[in-house]
Amino acid sequence: GENVEQHPSTLSVQEGDSAVIKCTYSDSASNYFPWYKQELGKRPQLIIDIRSNVGEKKDQRIAVTLNKTAKHFSLHITETQPEDSAVYFCAASILTGGGNKLTFGTGTQLKVEL
Amino acid sequence: EAQVTQNPRYLITVTGKKLTVTCSQNMNHEYMSWYRQDPGLGLRQIYYSMNVEVTDKGDVPEGYKVSRKEKRNFPLILESPSPNQTSLYFCASQSLAKNIQYFGAGTRLSVL
Repeated sequence: GENVEQHPSTLSVQEGDSAVIKCTYSDSASNYFPWYKQELGKRPQLIIDIRSNVGEKKDQRIAVTLNKTAKHFSLHITETQPEDSAVYFCAASILTGGGNKLTFGTGTQLKVEL
Repeated sequence: EAQVTQNPRYLITVTGKKLTVTCSQNMNHEYMSWYRQDPGLGLRQIYYSMNVEVTDKGDVPEGYKVSRKEKRNFPLILESPSPNQTSLYFCASQSLAKNIQYFGAGTRLSVL
């Protein structure tokens, strides 16, 4: 089955700096890669996703890049703010007509310091 | 308001006492799934369902059962809970027309 590795497990940045979280996946058939943000005590929420036919996607301060050949994808957050502090999870899945079987990474605790 | 509702939110029980965690969604989603979240392990899928009466095992199904008799409901059943099932559980649902999975608020279960 799919295996997703995520690094680093913790990341501390100064407000205004950029943060980068990296994930690798094992199944070359995976074609959908979402990123979820989970604030303390809350549920995971989708913040951005990318399909395998796209190399990069951006939404305001958040961007995701995908390298299919190397089987890795990354989340980039620019101009970080205290409200970006949370746990971020990457995931990989194969899109089918029957729904996504998501395999998650182990999470990155991002702390944005003032 | 579109939502996925789990109950209870918190549960403390003892080893061997059967319990059910309910999950309901009001978005008419076909796909529903259960995950458990443990420190350092991320979210791991327990079971999923692609539609009524269609369920399948995820990555960690041992010790759990599910049923999907109605489209909106997907209960998680622990027939004989054990302490290693102490965890934070999330239900999620998804429309097959879109890729986004919506998560419930979570159920924190402690098995003593």
